[in-house]
Amino acid sequence: SQTIHQWPATLVQPVGSPLSLECTVEGTSNPNLYWYRQAAGRGLQLLFYSVGIGQISSEVPQNLSASRPQDRQFILSSKKLLLSDSGFYLCAWSPRRWETQYFGPGTRLLVL
Amino acid sequence: SQQGEEDPQALSIQEGENATMNCSYKTSINNLQWYRQNSGRGLVHLILIRSNEREKHSGRLRVTLDTSKKSSSLLITASRAADTASYFCATDAVGGADGLTFGKGTHLIIQP
Repeated sequence: SQTIHQWPATLVQPVGSPLSLECTVEGTSNPNLYWYRQAAGRGLQLLFYSVGIGQISSEVPQNLSASRPQDRQFILSSKKLLLSDSGFYLCAWSPRRWETQYFGPGTRLLVL
Repeated sequence: SQQGEEDPQALSIQEGENATMNCSYKTSINNLQWYRQNSGRGLVHLILIRSNEREKHSGRLRVTLDTSKKSSSLLITASRAADTASYFCATDAVGGADGLTFGKGTHLIIQP
């Protein structure tokens, strides 16, 4: 069966520091991968999606970037964090477009 | 931007009663998905309903879709305390990005 992992689970970072969040999927190949952010008390906002290695699409202009160095690895990064980057970051995968998306456990980021 | 809007924002019922949550969206969709989120946790997929389907069942869950009204409903029958969570609808829009657009969610509380 397929599983999706995210780490770390919780992160507290100072403003201006770099960020690297990792997401990996097991048990499938060539998944579509997604990064979402959830602000407190809100729904999820799509940040990035990827249909293959090195293929990244961004949905909103922001301080973040994403990379997909391997088929089942998706990384969310920032060179300098802002206070507004705080939130709950969720990675998801789906076998193909227009199919169910399966979410990881999430990373809670607090920027101080 | 938010596509789906859930209604009500919060719902409190007694255990054993049925809970109904509604979702409205703005553009044509390929499918609509319902997710559950327990406090501070990742999202759990409940049901996916495609644009050419009108109703779907899974255990105690019943989802309807009315594409002419651009709305969907989620019914949870015989509610249990463990159903306490936030429920989100998410749409996969025609011609949109390869990702889901979420509403703000309905927070459901089941009173024992």
